[in-house]
Amino acid sequence: EAQVTQNPRYLITVTGKKLTVTCSQNMNHEYMSWYRQDPGLGLRQIYYSMNVEVTDKGDVPEGYKVSRKEKRNFPLILESPSPNQTSLYFCASSFGGSSYEQYFGPGTRLTVT
Amino acid sequence: AQTVTQSQPEMSVQEAETVTLSCTYDTSENNYYLFWYKQPPSRQMILVIRQEAYKQQNATENRFSVNFQKAAKSFSLKISDSQLGDTAMYFCAFGRTRDDKIIFGKGTRLHILP
Repeated sequence: EAQVTQNPRYLITVTGKKLTVTCSQNMNHEYMSWYRQDPGLGLRQIYYSMNVEVTDKGDVPEGYKVSRKEKRNFPLILESPSPNQTSLYFCASSFGGSSYEQYFGPGTRLTVT
Repeated sequence: AQTVTQSQPEMSVQEAETVTLSCTYDTSENNYYLFWYKQPPSRQMILVIRQEAYKQQNATENRFSVNFQKAAKSFSLKISDSQLGDTAMYFCAFGRTRDDKIIFGKGTRLHILP
């Protein structure tokens, strides 16, 4: 089944404790992206990647890191999480770029206390 | 900065009625793509419809259609014969081909009432 998977689905952590949210897709998509969703703010793009070893900042990259060492994986790293990063995070992939349908993962609910 | 504006935070309509969700965007680009995504209570994001800016013809997908007015920078979504399963948050999105960024609006929460 074609899908985007994210792990964990739920995470509660404390300020400053490094964490990684994994994202994997099995559709051989070139483009992968991370978003955060907050009430009243919609979805905001954090980082995106057009291909292996190619990453670009979205609109809200501060406090986040990403890497694209393999085509199928695009982990999101919070090296020192803060409470303002409490949010719902979505990973998405597409065949190629912003002109194509984004396939979204199920979301990761992160709470930073 | 690119912006996507959805002016209706929340709407309610009766089942079987037609409803239109508005979306406007700000851009100086000529080549871009527009999307409507649906997020039901399950949180799963699903594509509803996609429009290519260089195509004048409005996209349609069954009961869903758009009114794309390029000069006015408007991209509204019309849902005909609304069903209870259409209850969801709807997001308008702008795909900028220049650098492949994607900008979402803040969403419209749509309630279909029985």
